[in-house]
Amino acid sequence: GQQLNQSPQSMFIQEGEDVSMNCTSSSIFNTWLWYKQDPGEGPVLLIALYKAGELTSNGRLTAQFGITRKDSFLNISASIPSDVGIYFCALSRAGSYQLTFGKGTKLSVIP
Amino acid sequence: DGGITQSPKYLFRKEGQNVTLSCEQNLNHDAMYWYRQDPGQGLRLIYYSQIVNDFQKGDIAEGYSVSREKKESFPLTVTSAQKNPTAFYLCASSPRLAVETQYFGPGTRLLVL
Repeated sequence: GQQLNQSPQSMFIQEGEDVSMNCTSSSIFNTWLWYKQDPGEGPVLLIALYKAGELTSNGRLTAQFGITRKDSFLNISASIPSDVGIYFCALSRAGSYQLTFGKGTKLSVIP
Repeated sequence: DGGITQSPKYLFRKEGQNVTLSCEQNLNHDAMYWYRQDPGQGLRLIYYSQIVNDFQKGDIAEGYSVSREKKESFPLTVTSAQKNPTAFYLCASSPRLAVETQYFGPGTRLLVL
């Protein structure tokens, strides 16, 4: 089956710093998704990417769908304490009713 | 307001007992999903249903069962055949054929003693 690698596994950053995380896959996919999960809650969709090369922003968050369609990154600028949580990338393939999730990047922000 | 409800938030059961987790949505979504999350792991799909009275196995369906008698409800039963049932269980829903727009419930943490 397809492999989805997300890195880094965890990050500790100072408040105000920028953050970058990425995902790579072994196969080509049609849609990249980025979710955030607060502790003890369900994930919430942050950004959806549908085209290779697409760059999309949502406030301080920016995500890009790689040109090769096998990777994506998520950047968070000027981090704040409420950015703490686990960030997941996820993929969907055309015609499939399933999402494949990465293992997540756990972000900790030091005030 | 619309959303997905999972109850209870925490559930304790003795080993060997079946337990049913509730998931209700009032988003008028056709599709519903159940995921399992373990520490340090991504979400893994257990079962999904695209329409009432129909459901399909996901990647880790063994030891679980579901039913979809109503559009709003998709209960998950963790059976005694599930060898390691302690986990965080998440329910999600989406419009039919729009798997990328899934909305998640708050989750149920199951602890089997």
